[in-house]
Amino acid sequence: GAGVSQSPRYKVAKRGQDVALRCDPISGHVSLFWYQQALGQGPEFLTYFQNEAQLDKSGLPSDRFFAERPEGSVSTLKIQRTQQEDSAVYLCASSLGGTSYEQYFGPGTRLTVT
Amino acid sequence: DAKTTQPNSMESNEEEPVHLPCNHSTISGTDYIHWYRQLPSQGPEYVIHGLTSNVNNRMASLAIAEDRKSSTLILHRATLRDAAVYYCILRRWGSARQLTFGSGTQLTVLP
Repeated sequence: GAGVSQSPRYKVAKRGQDVALRCDPISGHVSLFWYQQALGQGPEFLTYFQNEAQLDKSGLPSDRFFAERPEGSVSTLKIQRTQQEDSAVYLCASSLGGTSYEQYFGPGTRLTVT
Repeated sequence: DAKTTQPNSMESNEEEPVHLPCNHSTISGTDYIHWYRQLPSQGPEYVIHGLTSNVNNRMASLAIAEDRKSSTLILHRATLRDAAVYYCILRRWGSARQLTFGSGTQLTVLP
């Protein structure tokens, strides 16, 4: 079946531009996560949704980062006024939720801010 | 969350078994041990998880020490496609929350 998809796969933005990254989770998955992965490091948590509710946004690095999941399926991560330090791979993951532990990850969006 | 310690890198020859160690000396009784791996240019993928007993699935085996302070992921017969970063992660029972990744172990498989 279809896995988690993300678009675009690659994004180049000039410093100061706004970007929007999309995540299509596996159908029926309640939980959705965004992670940021810098080069050579493990992914770091950004935010977590259960259906349309954003239950945890403690990992968002600044108020320039905003995520939404208005209908409990597709999610968008928006970064306003991008900075060079925002350059990273942004990973989306989904899971059934509850006691289902396995998270399914998308391929990621590689953001390069020039 | 309790932390894990893994070697930065390991090498293995193709078609030989690989034992990837993980130390988690501060593990609590309700922490599950999870392993994920990340192939080049892909998102992480689930490999296996366990609590106390050893576990086997089609991808790997997980051997857990009796005191649970360490575990070992075993790939029975490494292939070139197993070259990846392997992450050992502790997850509290009942938690549907985020995974906390460390820096993992980069496994190189030599032909």
